[in-house]
Amino acid sequence: AQRVTQPEKLLSVFKGAPVELKCNYSYSGSPELFWYVQYSRQRLQLLLRHISRESIKGFTADLNKGETSFHLKKPFAQEEDSAMYYCALRLSDGNQFYFGTGTSLTVIP
Amino acid sequence: ETGVTQTPRHLVMGMTNKKSLKCEQHLGHNAMYWYKQSAKKPLELMFVYNFKEQTENNSVPSRFSPECPNSSHLFLHLHTLQPEDSALYLCASSLAGGRNEQFFGPGTRLTVL
Repeated sequence: AQRVTQPEKLLSVFKGAPVELKCNYSYSGSPELFWYVQYSRQRLQLLLRHISRESIKGFTADLNKGETSFHLKKPFAQEEDSAMYYCALRLSDGNQFYFGTGTSLTVIP
Repeated sequence: ETGVTQTPRHLVMGMTNKKSLKCEQHLGHNAMYWYKQSAKKPLELMFVYNFKEQTENNSVPSRFSPECPNSSHLFLHLHTLQPEDSALYLCASSLAGGRNEQFFGPGTRLTVL
């Protein structure tokens, strides 16, 4: 069964518009959630993690255990945000990581 | 090159060939990972090594054989692969312990004919 679900494969928004990339997970333990990003011709890199409760490049993500979600949000999208975004889950009992299928975000000028 | 490097970047092999993928990290990490990324499928964790010891093997077929001679190097030995094994193979490293960020290599694009 899929542990991490990203329902949108493609997402397009206009510059300056809010953006939300959805992520839902399936795990009954204490999850650790991450967002990774891959810009064009670059390698996969960490964007943010839920335990840090940080804002990176204007993006935030809140872990909602009730809804088992970890949606990524940014109030005003920029062109440089265009990239592939992956949500990832680490199980608390080991080194198992699960990634979603990714969402390709395009910010239209 | 600093960070996590992978060689070769592209590999085409026949089903009867034997080849190896190499990963090297220069970050002082002690955990290394192999992932498989196929089209339209999630990134799949294949193997995990902590302090050179294999700690995870996610039901990967035996035609994939990992080797971790030291905490800086990780290999993936390939033999008698199938066309469906064609994918991007990513290596990552981190400090041991899941709260630590994984750093990814650029990947090896493998095509099995």
